[in-house]
Amino acid sequence: NAGVTQTPKFQVLKTGQSMTLQCAQDMNHEYMSWYRQDPGMGLRLIHYSVGAGITDQGEVPNGYNVSRSTTEDFPLRLLSAAPSQTSVYFCASSYSVLDYGYTFGSGTRLTVV
Amino acid sequence: GQQVMQIPQYQHVQEGEDFTTYCNSSTTLSNIQWYKQRPGGHPVFLIQLVKSGEVKKQKRLTFQFGEAKKNSSLHITATQTTDVGTYFCAGPTSGTYKYIFGTGTRLKVLA
Repeated sequence: NAGVTQTPKFQVLKTGQSMTLQCAQDMNHEYMSWYRQDPGMGLRLIHYSVGAGITDQGEVPNGYNVSRSTTEDFPLRLLSAAPSQTSVYFCASSYSVLDYGYTFGSGTRLTVV
Repeated sequence: GQQVMQIPQYQHVQEGEDFTTYCNSSTTLSNIQWYKQRPGGHPVFLIQLVKSGEVKKQKRLTFQFGEAKKNSSLHITATQTTDVGTYFCAGPTSGTYKYIFGTGTRLKVLA
């Protein structure tokens, strides 16, 4: 099993550009989430999904879109990048989040200039 | 909205000293999870506590869930350099599957 795979690992964007951060898991996990991590801010939930076709907003959803067309994939789209979106983004998945913890991907370090 | 705070924010200890981090939620939690993130790494799940007053141990790590299910603690006995990292607690917003993470406690162990 590869676990949770995030691509790319690093990305530099110009303000106003759009891009998609990819997240895939091969563990047949129903629950998937996107978090961003900024220094001193801990991990903040952007969007999450409890299964294919079902998504919901987290704490900081503005400027981001998600979709969950398959169990395996949960891409995060930045619509129009802003310097405030410079962060490390983590995707996480769980078989049953209320019973088991999340498995995190290795992260995408995004810089918006 | 729900807030999960952790104290202290930073802790430096000499190797062999004990360490404790505290997690406090503004609302009652159905369960609480603890994660460890090594420098430059990603969070790794350590444990989940569900019952009021529950205590669980993993070798030198002791986890406790408060009686009111609004706070939790992680205690490390005789720290080692391998314990370096940031420890996060996380709990679900009531009635949802949204897991909100605490602000984290960054532990540095001096050899």
